[in-house]
Amino acid sequence: GESVGLHLPTLSVQEGDNSIINCAYSNSASDYFIWYKQESGKGPQFIIDIRSNMDKRQGQRVTVLLNKTVKHLSLQIAATQPGDSAVYFCAENGSPGNTGKLIFGQGTTLQVKP
Amino acid sequence: EAQVTQNPRYLITVTGKKLTVTCSQNMNHEYMSWYRQDPGLGLRQIYYSMNVEVTDKGDVPEGYKVSRKEKRNFPLILESPSPNQTSLYFCASSLQRGRVEQFFGPGTRLTVL
Repeated sequence: GESVGLHLPTLSVQEGDNSIINCAYSNSASDYFIWYKQESGKGPQFIIDIRSNMDKRQGQRVTVLLNKTVKHLSLQIAATQPGDSAVYFCAENGSPGNTGKLIFGQGTTLQVKP
Repeated sequence: EAQVTQNPRYLITVTGKKLTVTCSQNMNHEYMSWYRQDPGLGLRQIYYSMNVEVTDKGDVPEGYKVSRKEKRNFPLILESPSPNQTSLYFCASSLQRGRVEQFFGPGTRLTVL
């Protein structure tokens, strides 16, 4: 069945260190992946996305890596800051032509220690 | 400012009392969707709409209705709420269905007693 999982429910890092948040997906037909950040009391906020014809995409302080062979997605945050503390979700679009829904993982809580 | 708005943000109600949660977007998006977020279950799609007057069921549609009479609005209707509909609800929109970013509203926390 469809599922998107994150390897760790909580990740604690020191301010200034790099963070890596991992995600495993199960639907090999997915061709679009997206990372969202959700702060307490707010809706998911777009961070970065990647299509299946790419294996890496960089944004401002963030990099997403896609390994289709092992169906693995990761989000790297450089020089983690206190404002990065949030729950991070990976999502996939499932099979092309589906309802347009995003299939979300359970989320990883990133805690940044000062 | 481009955004998705929802109202109310918080609602406590009783079983059986009909309610509507409104959703509006100002980005001229074609695709709109409702999700619910529950601990341990993540976000699950309730209903979606590809355009005006075009709506369809998502993964968990039971107990909900929607309408799309205008492009910008996509209200979620609970005709007879039950306690198992206590949840955090998010409306989302995107330019089109598929490989594009979905923008989420701030959420509506609903409690049904």
